[in-house]
Amino acid sequence: QKEVEQDPGPLSVPEGAIVSLNCTYSNSAFQYFMWYRQYSRKGPELLMYTYSSGNKEDGRFTAQVDKSSKYISLFIRDSQPSDSATYLCAIGRGGKLIFGQGTELSVKP
Amino acid sequence: GAVVSQHPSWVICKSGTSVKIECRSLDFQATTMFWYRQFPKQSLMLMATSNEGSKATYEQGVEKDKFLINHASLTLSTLTVTSAHPEDSSFYICSARDPRRETNTEAFFGQGTRLTVV
Repeated sequence: QKEVEQDPGPLSVPEGAIVSLNCTYSNSAFQYFMWYRQYSRKGPELLMYTYSSGNKEDGRFTAQVDKSSKYISLFIRDSQPSDSATYLCAIGRGGKLIFGQGTELSVKP
Repeated sequence: GAVVSQHPSWVICKSGTSVKIECRSLDFQATTMFWYRQFPKQSLMLMATSNEGSKATYEQGVEKDKFLINHASLTLSTLTVTSAHPEDSSFYICSARDPRRETNTEAFFGQGTRLTVV
């Protein structure tokens, strides 16, 4: 079993839709949770990070962590074509980050 | 966010040659940098942790003699792929943590280097 599981997609939605991206993890020792966006042939860009269960909002993005279920989510409201990218969850402990496989998102105009 | 610069962004080399990739933190000093490898539509796989002034820590299964890491200063880490083979072709990405950040856990990534060995 992988330490972090993420559905690779691809996921295609119309412009303006609410997007839900999810990851599950296996080890309750993980301490911090991040979401990165990666455009094709580019390095990942940090979107959100959180350390506790609950929601964290930043503009159109909301990160949600449920430690009891070992489940994290990223919600994108009013999705735009420019949001089309691969979204990677990353979960950390002891200074190391472990990445999910990434979900490829396409937002159609 | 913090700026991490990686160079070159792409390189093509012949089998058997060595290639050096540079990773620089432009506006902060990074005592620790990380090197990842990413295959198409795959996740980032941590190769090694680069520590300024000491030896790198390699992940299990990564050949330290093939992937040489040097972290000679607080703003520069280099990855040298020695005696490259076609199977080394991949996307290599570095990251660093900004110690000025309160929690010092968010990692910022370079632009990545696409290596093609022919």
